[in-house]
Formats: sequence, C-alpha cells, structure tokens
Amino acid sequence: GENVEQHPSTLSVQEGDSAVIKCTYSDSASNYFPWYKQELGKRPQLIIDIRSNVGEKKDQRIAVTLNKTAKHFSLHITETQPEDSAVYFCAPTNGNQFYFGTGTSLTVIP
Amino acid sequence: EAGVAQSPRYKIIEKRQSVAFWCNPISGHATLYWYQQILGQGPKLLIQFQNNGVVDDSQLPKDRFSAERLKGVDSTLKIQPAKLEDSAVYLCASTPVGGGGEQFFGPGTRLTVL
Repeated sequence: GENVEQHPSTLSVQEGDSAVIKCTYSDSASNYFPWYKQELGKRPQLIIDIRSNVGEKKDQRIAVTLNKTAKHFSLHITETQPEDSAVYFCAPTNGNQFYFGTGTSLTVIP
Repeated sequence: EAGVAQSPRYKIIEKRQSVAFWCNPISGHATLYWYQQILGQGPKLLIQFQNNGVVDDSQLPKDRFSAERLKGVDSTLKIQPAKLEDSAVYLCASTPVGGGGEQFFGPGTRLTVL
C-alpha cells in the first residue's frame, strides 16, 4: 500500500512566523493531495487541497505546493495565529485507496 | 446542509463484548468510509462503500470486524468480540462520489475497551 510520511512530527513556532509541513508518498498514481486539520477532540476538516495538474494553490494564509516528480507536497502557513494550533494530516490518494499521514502537531506560541 | 451523523458518541465495553456503531452520511453522498483513529495516529481506512457495494476492505480485520450499508444510505460497523487494542475513535466520512475529493467527517465514536 501507499507509504505516507510527514515531517516534522511536531512543530512549535512563534505567533506571526511561518510553518511548513512536508508530506512524502510512494504511489506515483496519486492524483489528489489534501491537507486536513484536526483540533483536539474534533473531527478532521479539509483546509486545502491540490490536484496533480496544478503545482501550487493558495488560500489566504495557507498554501500547498506539489512536486509530483519527487513525490512530495507541502503545507505552508504564514502569519501563524494561536488558532492554527492543531494536528495536520496529509492524505494523498489515487482515488481508490486512502492513506493518512502520521500527523504533525503544530503549536503556535502567543 | 446536515453533516455526517454518528452514534453513539462514546462507548465503554469490556473485552470480548460486542459493539456496533452507526453512521448516516450527508444526503446524496454515494461514498462512505469508516476509519479507525488510535490516539496519536492518523486515521486508518477500514472499509469504503460506493452506494451499497464494498470498494475496499483490505485493512478491515474481518475475523472480528464487519460493516454493512444495506440500502446505500446509512451504515453500521460492528466489532465482535472486542479486544483491548480496538480502543480508538471510529470516524465515518462521506463524499458525493468516489475517486478522491474532500471527505466530510462525522464527530466520531470514542470506544474504550477495558
């Protein structure tokens, strides 16, 4: 099955700084690349996604970049705020199989 | 639009007992997923339904877990008998169609096996 890894596993940043989380995957057939945010005790919620025909997508303070050749995609959060503190999961898929990464715990220090 | 509904929200049982979880996806969503999320880990797909047919159950421990979606709408996941390592949050998610796209998750059922 798909091998999905996230780095780093934990990340602490000062409020206002940027955060970057990287996801590597093994299935070259993957064509949909979402990032989910999960706050403590809550359900995962999609925050941004990208499809394989696009290299970068931005939504206000959040962006995702994709490198299909190297099989990795990254989540970028700028001007971080305390409410960005959560666990972030990548979940690349080929449309038939679904594997979530191990998660990155982000803490934004006020 | 109503979201994905799950019940119960919490369940505590003893090992070797049986338990069932229920999920009602967003109206009109053809694809339904059951995930197991152990504390500190990412969700792990147990089974995926497209309407009332199974698309993928390769990671479902079939000796103790079963799931059905008889009418292509709501679904039940059963564990019989439960083991200590089944303690986890069981998440249900749905999408309008298969093939990738945003998954809408329910609130989950937190299972504790003693």
